[in-house]
Amino acid sequence: QSPLTQPPTASGTPGQRVTISCSGSDSNIGSDFVYWYQHLPGTAPKLLITTDSRRPSGVPDRFSGSKSGTSASLVISGLRSEDEADYYCATWDISLRSHVFGSGTSVIVL
Amino acid sequence: EVQLVESGGGLVQSGGSLRLACVAAGFSFSNTDMHWVRHTPAKGLEWVSGIGSSGDRYYSASVEGRFTILRENAENSLFLQMNSLRVEDTGTYYCLTGRDGFDCWGQGALVTVSS
Repeated sequence: QSPLTQPPTASGTPGQRVTISCSGSDSNIGSDFVYWYQHLPGTAPKLLITTDSRRPSGVPDRFSGSKSGTSASLVISGLRSEDEADYYCATWDISLRSHVFGSGTSVIVL
Repeated sequence: EVQLVESGGGLVQSGGSLRLACVAAGFSFSNTDMHWVRHTPAKGLEWVSGIGSSGDRYYSASVEGRFTILRENAENSLFLQMNSLRVEDTGTYYCLTGRDGFDCWGQGALVTVSS
């Protein structure tokens, strides 16, 4: 059972805006940066958002991240078919003394 | 170019052992924290273990006492010794690193534990 909770699925039509939430606690999201990863089947996960809201080089600006208190969000603006993948939030948990990933959200492009 | 290449995956019976290896290139391995993350059907992505550049080791509760992370800086290599394997350890194991988040991942090694 992950200490970071995400909705199992999220969906939208091409061009729509999709928001994925990540809910944690004071010992994880409330204490450290949040990172977001995109995982396509059969490939290595890709870092999408670093330190709460910064996009690494090469990540399209339709991906954005934010954090408030013990929750974080990933927004995909202008959804594209190639965005169909699993998305995970992640951070460090000071109580568990370990990195933790969220439960994962499968994004479906209708 | 930064590169991580895993090896050592395979099929093993429950209770058995397996040793994964990861060879790194393109960066200063000895000065870099390294990690193992796995993807399982049941839990999705799960951080397994990490080792600092100074050798300090960290484990998830699910593998503590059964898995050991090792590094050999002279060979730019990272290892994961997995003992007392369970069916729920089945998955793809990734070697990875990064400064602000995990931005460099290997291609993954498939570990299958049969009952």
